[in-house]
Amino acid sequence: KQEVTQIPAALSVPEGENLVLNCSFTDSAIYNLQWFRQDPGKGLTSLLLIQSSQREQTSGRLNASLDKSSGRSTLYIAASQPGDSATYLCAVNTGTASKLTFGTGTRLQVTL
Amino acid sequence: NAGVTQTPKFHILKIGQSMTLQCTQDMNHNYMYWYRQDPGMGLKLIYYSVGAGITDKGEVPNGYNVSRSTTEDFPLRLELAAPSQTSVYFCASYSDGGGSYEQYFGPGTRLTVT
Repeated sequence: KQEVTQIPAALSVPEGENLVLNCSFTDSAIYNLQWFRQDPGKGLTSLLLIQSSQREQTSGRLNASLDKSSGRSTLYIAASQPGDSATYLCAVNTGTASKLTFGTGTRLQVTL
Repeated sequence: NAGVTQTPKFHILKIGQSMTLQCTQDMNHNYMYWYRQDPGMGLKLIYYSVGAGITDKGEVPNGYNVSRSTTEDFPLRLELAAPSQTSVYFCASYSDGGGSYEQYFGPGTRLTVT
């Protein structure tokens, strides 16, 4: 059974810092991995999707990497801003009916 | 193009009552999913469907039922509601016909069972 872990569970950084969020998964036979952002009381916003054949994806200040063999992905946020404050979820697609297995998220707070 | 829509947004249900959460997508996606999210946790899969007329259980199906009579709609039925079903419910859809490979999520239904 696929298990997804996100560390740390919570993170507080001052504005302007670069930061890394971690996601690990137990079964390396994945189809793709997706990073989401969730604001309090809101739905999920897809940030980046990395296919199993890719090593990284970039969107603006966000960069996600994937090391399938070691079961790890990282989400790098450059020059953090208070508007980046949210919970970040990673989800692994193991291919079978494209079902997603989610981690429990990292709650990020960017302070002024 | 509304994407994935869910109704209602909020609902309070008494223990033992039943209700149906509605989910509709207008992207002609063949796959649809129901997830639940408990406070401070990630999402867990309840049921999914790979096409009209085909449904299957996910990780936490007990206490729920689904049907998929059309491509667009995927309602989730709660029978004999229990406090343990207090959660936020998300519907999602996906197409394996090429494109972005992303799952698209609805805004969620916040359900309280008291």
